[in-house]
Amino acid sequence: GAGVSQSPSNKVTEKGKDVELRCDPISGHTALYWYRQSLGQGLEFLIYFQGNSAPDKSGLPSDRFSAERTGGSVSTLTIQRTQQEDSAVYLCASGLRNTEAFFGQGTRLTVV
Amino acid sequence: QKEVEQNSGPLSVPEGAIASLNCTYSDRGSQSFFWYRQYSGKSPELIMFIYSNGDKEDGRFTAQLNKASQYVSLLIRDSQPSDSATYLCAVMDTGRRALTFGSGTRLQVQP
Repeated sequence: GAGVSQSPSNKVTEKGKDVELRCDPISGHTALYWYRQSLGQGLEFLIYFQGNSAPDKSGLPSDRFSAERTGGSVSTLTIQRTQQEDSAVYLCASGLRNTEAFFGQGTRLTVV
Repeated sequence: QKEVEQNSGPLSVPEGAIASLNCTYSDRGSQSFFWYRQYSGKSPELIMFIYSNGDKEDGRFTAQLNKASQYVSLLIRDSQPSDSATYLCAVMDTGRRALTFGSGTRLQVQP
């Protein structure tokens, strides 16, 4: 595809349920980022993958959050036992090493 | 201490004026700097990047970098109402080689 693709675009889930958010990066991009943006707020770094290196998980807010990247391409962000404070737009971005990143359209997560 | 600082604004300028957006960063070894624009309800989009001290111009946009002062700015000439958005400064962290974003400056261009 031409750009970063995220799915679903919107997700409404009940408190306590698990959710999986998917990101398809631009082909050939070795760097992949997940950010979270709450309404009216800035970008909160969650996790960073670079090639085959161990991911930088320093931004994950709790152990309910995890992410994996299979085959150096598609990434899945999993939130277990969702809470209302997890409601936000989750943004994925991809790029080449040490260069700019390009964002997907985001997944709007609403926990009710 | 935040690694990338921006004034949250809003910065209000009249149509046709020059808008000046500023950003400071704490990692002295940072080498790569980016400006993203984010319209309300949309994802950030890259508008400029700069790696070397000095100015870099692209159309109505000029990025300025001063590594000694750890300062990067974005000038928008002939501001248009369509430039009204939040502008995010991003710095490539030398440690983990990941992009770190400031909280953004909201720009309002008044017709």
